[in-house]
Amino acid sequence: GAVVSQHPSWVICKSGTSVKIECRSLDFQATTMFWYRQFPKQSLMLMATSNEGSKATYEQGVEKDKFLINHASLTLSTLTVTSAHPEDSSFYICSARRGGDTEAFFGQGTRLTVV
Amino acid sequence: ELKVEQNPLFLSMQEGKNYTIYCNYSTTSDRLYWYRQDPGKSLESLFVLLSNGAVKQEGRLMASLDTKARLSTLHITAAVHDLSATYFCAVEGATDSWGKLQFGAGTQVVVTP
Repeated sequence: GAVVSQHPSWVICKSGTSVKIECRSLDFQATTMFWYRQFPKQSLMLMATSNEGSKATYEQGVEKDKFLINHASLTLSTLTVTSAHPEDSSFYICSARRGGDTEAFFGQGTRLTVV
Repeated sequence: ELKVEQNPLFLSMQEGKNYTIYCNYSTTSDRLYWYRQDPGKSLESLFVLLSNGAVKQEGRLMASLDTKARLSTLHITAAVHDLSATYFCAVEGATDSWGKLQFGAGTQVVVTP
């Protein structure tokens, strides 16, 4: 159990366009979902926390108007990178957690390349 | 602000020998996690450490947590090539940061014959 699926696994988009990444908890209802970003050869940095039905909480330095997060149900959160630029190219990883769990479960990640 | 320091950042291991990766953190926390990441892949959960003195072992890997010293260690016994990967520790913040993980910089492990 506790499977988190991200889609797509990789995406290439043109500069100035928007791209949506989905994060689904397949066999459990996630109270909270987290979005991380990882640049090459670097660690993971938390971008935002989302709870179902409420606005996401963004970490300092993360532009909420650029990285739109929607958590419409207990099994789905989406991250939309708006007006993407090459510097947004990164590995985006989501995680999902139930209230009683001791850990969050990570998706397989989405590699975004903006050309 | 919670800070997590991991060292070393790079570890070249000889097969058959033992090594340790260290993870220090700056503020009180009772939850510490160890992950493995292979190139181009997401994170694989290795250990969840939830209390002072916790020790967990799986195969050649053993992790421990000392919350008073704010230190966790990941010990590798008799390294083998399959253990080549990047290892991250992550610390969960206090009650107002439930679920939020602060990651260490990662330790890139390369095991050679």
